Amino acid sequence: DVVMTQSPLSLPVTLGQPASISCRSSQSLVYSDGNTYLNWFQQRPGQSPRRLIYRVSNRDSGVPDRFSGSGSGTDFTLKISRVEAEDVGVYYCIQGTHWPSGGLTFGGGTKVEIK
Amino acid sequence: QVQLVQSGAEVKKPGSSVKVSCKVSGGTFRRNTINWVRQAPGQGLEWMGRIIPIIAITNYAQRFQGRVTITADKSTGTAYMELTSLRSEDTAVYYCARDTDYGDLMGVWGQGTLVTVSS
Repeated sequence: DVVMTQSPLSLPVTLGQPASISCRSSQSLVYSDGNTYLNWFQQRPGQSPRRLIYRVSNRDSGVPDRFSGSGSGTDFTLKISRVEAEDVGVYYCIQGTHWPSGGLTFGGGTKVEIK
Repeated sequence: QVQLVQSGAEVKKPGSSVKVSCKVSGGTFRRNTINWVRQAPGQGLEWMGRIIPIIAITNYAQRFQGRVTITADKSTGTAYMELTSLRSEDTAVYYCARDTDYGDLMGVWGQGTLVTVSS
């Protein structure tokens, strides 16, 4: 199965400062069509998750441009250029390239909080 | 704009079953995969399974095999997730989420349904 490993587990950030979250997969996420299906989600306290990024670096509609995704192969990063109060929550990555027999697995999550 | 509206909260006894619905509006129901994800109190997201409505193909997470059944009613645009043999550890918020394309997972989410399992 494909294992997604996120770090750090917790990320205290000062308002206005950048934040960076890492997501690593146990296998390359490049699909046979040439695309890399790596997705990032944000879950604010008490809310449903919301997708921020798909295919490594494509922002979903309505997602502020302070969020950016990058990476390739097995190593990926979600960056927030300047953290705002509304960015507090837990961030998850998940891959859509492989369909292992055991099913899909989210990364363990990274909790972003304000210092 | 696509919206997913789920059924309301449920309280169930251990050993019973629960069936949660997810109605899709504002989009084409048949083509896009519907996933079910759950979140136990204070825990992370756990993928349970999915269905591709147009061909009624399902995939389930190994740990739920034999206990979960996902179905889709194309006539009403509604997906269902049934979980049997409930135990206290199944207490969680259950979400449905719709893919936007192959590999572009869960671009639209329902509001969540709290299922509480308690004697």
